[in-house]
Amino acid sequence: AQSVTQLDSHVSVSEGTPVLLRCNYSSSYSPSLFWYVQHPNKGLQLLLKYTSAATLVKGINGFEAEFKKSETSFHLTKPSAHMSDAAEYFCVVSGRNSGNTPLVFGKGTRLSVIA
Amino acid sequence: DTGVSQDPRHKITKRGQNVTFRCDPISEHNRLYWYRQTLGQGPEFLTYFQNEAQLEKSRLLSDRFSAERPKGSFSTLEIQRTEQGDSAMYLCASSLVTGPPHEQYFGPGTRLTVT
Repeated sequence: AQSVTQLDSHVSVSEGTPVLLRCNYSSSYSPSLFWYVQHPNKGLQLLLKYTSAATLVKGINGFEAEFKKSETSFHLTKPSAHMSDAAEYFCVVSGRNSGNTPLVFGKGTRLSVIA
Repeated sequence: DTGVSQDPRHKITKRGQNVTFRCDPISEHNRLYWYRQTLGQGPEFLTYFQNEAQLEKSRLLSDRFSAERPKGSFSTLEIQRTEQGDSAMYLCASSLVTGPPHEQYFGPGTRLTVT
């Protein structure tokens, strides 16, 4: 069975400082991993995805994540936070080799950006 | 806008009433998923369709929940005899069977409030 654990329910950073949102995963298969972002009153938007190609994945809006199999981690980072990054972020796992496996979401990390 | 659409965006109903939500996927997508998101949690998978076939429904929360996709295009999710615990955001997503594995595109959701 697949699962993800987001280690922080809330992260607060100052504008212009780095962002780190932590995620550990558990998967019976070689996983596909994703980060989604949810802004208030908006739909979930895919930030980036890992599907067994390069372990360092670049996404939209300057975000990136690194797949570390030895640590079962897929942490999301951004060098410099912007006010518009304030949102809820979800780490998601899916079993790549099982086409019928639905997405499994973490509980989310709320990112606050302080001016 | 050619994204996933959901209707209505908000629904307030009294306990015991039936409600039905509609989802229109991206037009060329043959997979359609339903999720439920409660406050402070990540989305939870309910069911999904490939074309008109419902391939997974064991995760529907109870026999009061049912979903259809009669012509392989739009889908409806019905909740019968609503309870206060059904209050949540109901999300729809769609994807292609081929293409990037498990990359799902989400609609804005229907927020249900049961009074």
